[in-house]
Amino acid sequence: NAGVTQTPKFQVLKTGQSMTLQCAQDMNHNSMYWYRQDPGMGLRLIYYSASEGTTDKGEVPNGYNVSRLNKREFSLRLESAAPSQTSVYFCASTQGVEPQHFGDGTRLSIL
Amino acid sequence: EDKVVQSPLSLVVHEGDTVTLNCSYEVTNFRSLLWYKQEKKAPTFLFMLTSSGIEKKSGRLSSILDKKELFSILNITATQTGDSAIYLCAVEETSGTYKYIFGTGTRLKVLA
Repeated sequence: NAGVTQTPKFQVLKTGQSMTLQCAQDMNHNSMYWYRQDPGMGLRLIYYSASEGTTDKGEVPNGYNVSRLNKREFSLRLESAAPSQTSVYFCASTQGVEPQHFGDGTRLSIL
Repeated sequence: EDKVVQSPLSLVVHEGDTVTLNCSYEVTNFRSLLWYKQEKKAPTFLFMLTSSGIEKKSGRLSSILDKKELFSILNITATQTGDSAIYLCAVEETSGTYKYIFGTGTRLKVLA
């Protein structure tokens, strides 16, 4: 039972570099989400995709882009990383009345 | 603006104590309220509440929702060191897109 899989688990970038965080779910869920978690801030929604082919901004979208590649995969891209984007990133998915299922997170440090 | 507020922010108790965690919300299109436990990695689901006054229980944990006063509580009785975690409250809203709004969490530490 893989559930929600995120890659990579850890990454260190230099300011200005770009990278893509990958997320895949095998539960046939329609909705997928990207959050960031910072100390004392809880989980803040970056982008979400209510269904395949749609994406919408969340609370903190600046500096990020997303792609819903297909029903299984939802990627998050940092085009030009900044130190303020140092955080732990979580991907989640859900459908219908189910609670959200989370991946194990990606710990990203930007120097 | 929609918001979810949890209190206290942190709590230290001894094994065997009972704790009550609070979650209040102001969300325009409420669908459900969820509680999660987060240890080292991913949040894990505890409860989903949709109706007022109906208590949900799982072992030593229980939760209840008051939709009139817009809050929920999570109770943990006879706490154990394994209960040490961040407890997150989230409200699912629906305006056709089913977004979740999370509180900042309550960090619970249970001392042996």
